[in-house]
Parts: sequence; C-alpha cells; structure tokens
Amino acid sequence: EPEVTQTPSHQVTQMGQEVILRCVPISNHLYFYWYRQILGQKVEFLVSFYNNEISEKSEIFDDQFSVERPDGSNFTLKIRSTKLEDSAMYFCASSEAGGYTFGSGTRLTVV
Amino acid sequence: QQQVKQSPQSLIVQKGGISIINCAYENTAFDYFPWYQQFPGKGPALLIAIRPDVSEKKEGRFTISFNKSAKQFSLHIMDSQPGDSATYFCAALPLSGTYKYIFGTGTRLKVLA
Repeated sequence: EPEVTQTPSHQVTQMGQEVILRCVPISNHLYFYWYRQILGQKVEFLVSFYNNEISEKSEIFDDQFSVERPDGSNFTLKIRSTKLEDSAMYFCASSEAGGYTFGSGTRLTVV
Repeated sequence: QQQVKQSPQSLIVQKGGISIINCAYENTAFDYFPWYQQFPGKGPALLIAIRPDVSEKKEGRFTISFNKSAKQFSLHIMDSQPGDSATYFCAALPLSGTYKYIFGTGTRLKVLA
C-alpha cells in the first residue's frame, strides 16, 4: 500500500536554528499538507499546497514557516528560527481529493 | 469559526464492550466526516468515513452514525479489543472547495484486557 514517508523521525534543535522537515507524498497525489500536533493535543492545520503553490494556510503558518516542492517528489517544511513552542509532532499528508494519507510524523524538539 | 467538538476526552472500556465517541459540528457546510485512529508515535490513519447523505455506515466492528439535523456523528466500536486502544479523531471537510480538514480534539481509548 502506498505511504507517505517523513524524515527525520525525530529532530532536536537549538532555539533560533533553522530546521527542514522532509516528506515524500504518494506519487499520484496532487494535494499536500502539513499539520502539527502538540503533545496530547489536537491535530492542527498548518498549510495546504496544490499546483506548486500554497492554497491555504493557517494563522500558525507565519513568516517563519515556508514550504517547497523542490524536485517533484519531495515536499518540505522549513522553520527559519525555531522557538520552544514549535516543539510538536509535524505530520505531512497527501491526497488525490478529500481522503488524506498521513505520514508517521517528525517529532521536533526545540531546546 | 468552524469547529468540531469531540467527547469524551478519554474512555476506558472492558474487552468485548462497546466504545462510543461523539462529535458535533457547528454549521452545515461540511461534506465528509472521517474518523482517524492514531497509535502512539504514528500518524493518524483513516478508519472509516461517511458523507451526509447517509445516516449510518458500518465496516466490520466500526460503525459511524450520522444525525444531520442534530449536526452530530459518532463512532461505535463493537466488541472492543485491547488492540483498539488508541487515540481517535473525528474530522470534517468543509464544502468550500478546500481540502482542509477540521479535526476534533481527540479521544484516548483504553480497552482493558
């Protein structure tokens, strides 16, 4: 069964550093998403991406966040200057239309 | 603001019992209602989903009941098993053309052996 692959599974970074979270969506999917989940809390939408551009973003997705699809297979989330409150699980998802497939997530710990 | 309210926050059920998780939404502009199952350290996985033109959908031990007039939908897990112990999220997909899900706050289910 096709799956969404995320790397790394766990990233520890110093506050103020830049991190890049990587995702390989399912190959024939057209819509890509990033969500985050702070420990024990609900899954929060960050951004959706379609046709090589952001289609929607949340209030959380401020200027320190950016997304890119650099080579037609990878989909990345960059956080430019990490804060302690960015510590969370970050999930990538992809879909053809509607039904999501989530990756296993990257646990980001900012110290 | 579109919201999906989920209850209970946690649930403990004996093996073989029925687990019931409820969700309610606040406006009618949703078109698709999936339930996701999440094990620790894993991403949410689609369990079962329903569209508002049907009142019930059953897949194995999992059933979604949908009440359009009350704007509520629920997940029933029959014959609950310890392997069902996970966090369950309901979600709703707006009609607006976006594919951004609105997630509930999650229910942590523990099934006792």
